[in-house]
Amino acid sequence: GQQLNQSPQSMFIQEGEDVSMNCTSSSIFNTWLWYKQDPGEGPVLLIALYKAGELTSNGRLTAQFGITRKDSFLNISASIPSDVGIYFCAGPTTGANSKLTFGKGITLSVRP
Amino acid sequence: NAGVTQTPKFRVLKTGQSMTLLCAQDMNHEYMYWYRQDPGMGLRLIHYSVGEGTTAKGEVPDGYNVSRLKKQNFLLGLESAAPSQTSVYFCASSTAGLAGNPTQYFGPGTRLTVL
Repeated sequence: GQQLNQSPQSMFIQEGEDVSMNCTSSSIFNTWLWYKQDPGEGPVLLIALYKAGELTSNGRLTAQFGITRKDSFLNISASIPSDVGIYFCAGPTTGANSKLTFGKGITLSVRP
Repeated sequence: NAGVTQTPKFRVLKTGQSMTLLCAQDMNHEYMYWYRQDPGMGLRLIHYSVGEGTTAKGEVPDGYNVSRLKKQNFLLGLESAAPSQTSVYFCASSTAGLAGNPTQYFGPGTRLTVL
């Protein structure tokens, strides 16, 4: 099936640093979603991308929909302690029984 | 507007016991979903519903049943709990199917432990 790959599983950065996360697939996706999950909470949508090549920002977050439609990245600039959490990429699979598939997530830790 | 709410927040069961998790949304969304989240596994779809009175199986439906008697509520049942069902359960809803706006809105989760 169509799977989304995120690695590494964990990232550790210093407060104030920028960080980039990648999400890749061997299949084409027509929409890419980035979610953040705070500790003890449900995932919350950060950014949605609908068009190949699209670059979208939301405050300190920037995400891009890859030209090949097989990848996307999320950048966080000038990290702060509240950026801690799990970042998931997600996208709808194509074909019959389409569903929203999620990557396994990247746990981000920010050292003050 | 509370969004998506889930009850209970925490629950401990013994093997073989049954329970029902309740999800409610006040956004008038047609679609609702139940996921489980396990360490290193991401989110896996258990069952979903495309409208009141309809349900369908997701990736990992075994051991679970669901009902959508009212548009705003989606119930997840465990008839005979097993330790493998220890997990965090999330409910989500969306306005449209994946061909439309695929954005799903999540509840805060229910942490279930089966001893």
